[in-house]
Amino acid sequence: AQSVAQPEDQVNVAEGNPLTVKCTYSVSGNPYLFWYVQYPNRGLQFLLKYITGDNLVKGSYGFEAEFNKSQTSFHLKKPSALVSDSALYFCAVRAPSGSASKIIFGSGTRLSIRP
Amino acid sequence: SAVISQKPSRDICQRGTSLTIQCQVDSQVTMMFWYRQQPGQSLTLIATANQGSEATYESGFVIDKFPISRPNLTFSTLTVSNMSPEDSSIYLCSVEGVQPYNEQFFGPGTRLTVL
Repeated sequence: AQSVAQPEDQVNVAEGNPLTVKCTYSVSGNPYLFWYVQYPNRGLQFLLKYITGDNLVKGSYGFEAEFNKSQTSFHLKKPSALVSDSALYFCAVRAPSGSASKIIFGSGTRLSIRP
Repeated sequence: SAVISQKPSRDICQRGTSLTIQCQVDSQVTMMFWYRQQPGQSLTLIATANQGSEATYESGFVIDKFPISRPNLTFSTLTVSNMSPEDSSIYLCSVEGVQPYNEQFFGPGTRLTVL
């Protein structure tokens, strides 16, 4: 069965510093991996995805994520954090077995950027 | 990506009543999904709704409690029946993106409070 783990409930970073939000996964075969962000009182917004190809994927708002097959990780990164990046971030995984497979979401990591 | 709207955006309901949530998409989609997100928690898939067939419910969710309609390719409703305070959550609908990778796009959510 596929699963995804976000080991940190909360990440605190000073504005201007680099940030990393961790995600590890478990799935049979090559995974499809996603990051979503949820701002207060809003739905989820799609940030980026890894399907195949380059391990470093670039997405919206300056975020990027690095796929590491040996470590089964897909950490979200940004070189310089903004206060406006403060939100709830979800990692998600889907097994590549056709559209019938479900997307499984991690527990979420709350990112707090202090001025 | 699809533009998804939900009505109502929030509601406060009395115990024992029912609420129907509407989800409208600006394009035709095959599959629509309904999720529940309890405060500060991750997303839990309630059911998958295909047009022209009965919804497929996940473990722990039943049709009598969460009846779903899918009358056409751009619209779906979720009813939360005989509500209790434990049903207080954000309810989100989502649709799949373009094949074959099928990332999901989410509506803004309906925040339900049951007194």
